[in-house]
Amino acid sequence: NAGVTQTPKFRVLKTGQSMTLLCAQDMNHEYMYWYRQDPGMGLRLIHYSVGEGTTAKGEVPDGYNVSRLKKQNFLLGLESAAPSQTSVYFCASSYSAGTVVLDIQYFGAGTRLSVL
Amino acid sequence: AQSVTQLDSQVPVFEEAPVELRCNYSSSVSVYLFWYVQYPNQGLQLLLKYLSGSTLVKGINGFEAEFNKSQTSFHLRKPSVHISDTAEYFCAVSESQAGTALIFGKGTTLSVSS
Repeated sequence: NAGVTQTPKFRVLKTGQSMTLLCAQDMNHEYMYWYRQDPGMGLRLIHYSVGEGTTAKGEVPDGYNVSRLKKQNFLLGLESAAPSQTSVYFCASSYSAGTVVLDIQYFGAGTRLSVL
Repeated sequence: AQSVTQLDSQVPVFEEAPVELRCNYSSSVSVYLFWYVQYPNQGLQLLLKYLSGSTLVKGINGFEAEFNKSQTSFHLRKPSVHISDTAEYFCAVSESQAGTALIFGKGTTLSVSS
């Protein structure tokens, strides 16, 4: 089982460059999330999606955009990268069925991004 | 809005000693509670969860946690740790409804030495 796959695993950008992080899950989960992890800060939610074609802002959305064109994919975009976006980015997905909440989030291995 | 406080940023222990990692939360609604573990250079892995029912929950690798609603706590315990338990541990909370994002604590680094 692949679970949640993130690409790329590592990336170095220069200030002002753009890039897209890809998250793919093969578990048919409805919900997907993007977090960033910074030392001493835990994980903070950037954006999330409750289904194909829908997205919503999380705690720290500024400077990022997302798209969920297909149920299995959730893309995170940086239009103009800044050094403050140097972080480790994690994607997660979860599944809920009717009134039975199975809101257990499964995480990818992360993308380490450095913005110089 | 929910919040999570992990009371210790670092916990050093010797192998085979017991350990408790403390977590307190605040919320005005019913919550689900989770502990995740992150080994170096890896993603997060679910250790255990509390959704409802018994307040003592058992997880993988011999860990357990107890939900205490009156004290709004969800402390993680293990009676005897191993070197391989060295990792960062995150407590997280979500509202008791589908698709709610997790709110994480800042993490506790558990360092087990021989």
